Amino acid sequence: NAGVMQNPRHLVRRRGQEARLRCSPMKGHSHVYWYRQLPEEGLKFMVYLQKENIIDESGMPKERFSAEFPKEGPSILRIQQVVRGDSAAYFCASSGTGDNQPQHFGDGTRLSIL
Amino acid sequence: QKEVEQDPGPLSVPEGAIVSLNCTYSNSAFQYFMWYRQYSRKGPELLMYTYSSGNKEDGRFTAQVDKSSKYISLFIRDSQPSDSATYLCAMKDSGGGADGLTFGKGTHLIIQP
Repeated sequence: NAGVMQNPRHLVRRRGQEARLRCSPMKGHSHVYWYRQLPEEGLKFMVYLQKENIIDESGMPKERFSAEFPKEGPSILRIQQVVRGDSAAYFCASSGTGDNQPQHFGDGTRLSIL
Repeated sequence: QKEVEQDPGPLSVPEGAIVSLNCTYSNSAFQYFMWYRQYSRKGPELLMYTYSSGNKEDGRFTAQVDKSSKYISLFIRDSQPSDSATYLCAMKDSGGGADGLTFGKGTHLIIQP
């Protein structure tokens, strides 16, 4: 499967725990984007990364959220000390090199906070 | 005022009908426009990607952009039950590091057999 791969598909955490969401971009893609979809809300941009660099994190909450895209391995979205309001679907997208390339999405990780 | 407005529906039409889906936007910096289809419990699937004002056709789908009115449309001809899904419009400006897409909330489309 050459598409965007996200895991896990479902993640359950208790309040105060940490959540780690993983995203492997499409083959040949080096740009990764994370979005959050809350119930009854549209997709909201969180962060845009290239290998080892955060390019735009204007949509990231100021506290508890971080993202990385290391030289080797998948991109990671990390949420520390999760709260009920973090329950959502988190989607990753990737695009190829070059300006304004289309973004292709994975099937998301559904995070539930007990 | 939200940046992108999209009627959430549901929009229910009989099989074979022509479907018209629309979005309006307020930010004149938006230059690139996309339509995605999202099935339940799946990720958005890119259907159309356009830059300039005018029409772009791909099979049964036609995307239309009117930058002067800040209005975009997606037309689906010969609609099929398998077209039942949520359709999301998305847009972005010309770059400069701001590559995050701005989405509408999506229109839930139901094609009745």
